Amino acid sequence: DGGITQSPKYLFRKEGQNVTLSCEQNLNHDAMYWYRQDPGQGLRLIYYSQIVNDFQKGDIAEGYSVSREKKESFPLTVTSAQKNPTAFYLCASSIDLKGPQPQHFGDGTRLSIL
Amino acid sequence: AQSVSQHNHHVILSEAASLELGCNYSYGGTVNLFWYVQYPGQHLQLLLKYFSGDPLVKGIKGFEAEFIKSKFSFNLRKPSVQWSDTAEYFCAVTPRGTGRRALTFGSGTRLQVQP
Repeated sequence: DGGITQSPKYLFRKEGQNVTLSCEQNLNHDAMYWYRQDPGQGLRLIYYSQIVNDFQKGDIAEGYSVSREKKESFPLTVTSAQKNPTAFYLCASSIDLKGPQPQHFGDGTRLSIL
Repeated sequence: AQSVSQHNHHVILSEAASLELGCNYSYGGTVNLFWYVQYPGQHLQLLLKYFSGDPLVKGIKGFEAEFIKSKFSFNLRKPSVQWSDTAEYFCAVTPRGTGRRALTFGSGTRLQVQP
């Protein structure tokens, strides 16, 4: 089945530690996205990438970094500079045809602070 | 920048009741509109979308939404809800003509349907 795989499902971070969340898709989609979901705030865009080796900051990029070395992979690193990392992180992808396309979402990673 | 408001944060209905969830957006230009649903323990999935044409759009599972341009609204409706509709519902927009494809989401509405 085609889809988006996020791992791990749960992740714990210690103070001063960087952690990386994995996102892989086998949908052959060009565009990939990372969102952060907090209770009562919906989803907010962290980073997105419309093509390999290129990515753009979203609305809340501070304290995060990404890479897009392969079409199917878009890992997100939560750095120690992100002071409030506890949240649910969702990865999404979409086919980048002309015009808007709906996004497909993974199951998410829940990050907590130890 | 665009923004989305969902004023109903938590809605509780009995089975067979009618549903309407409000969604208003703020943006100076034209937008593409979406409703996503997140069932308990499942990933976010598309319920319906509006890009252009007939402002009344039908989605999966008997849901529909109406785009009213003058009110900047895209309310979600269902004539008769079922227990299986218990989920969180998100309205989202993308601006048209800017190249931005990432979604701007509302804060979500948690729907609880009681049997």
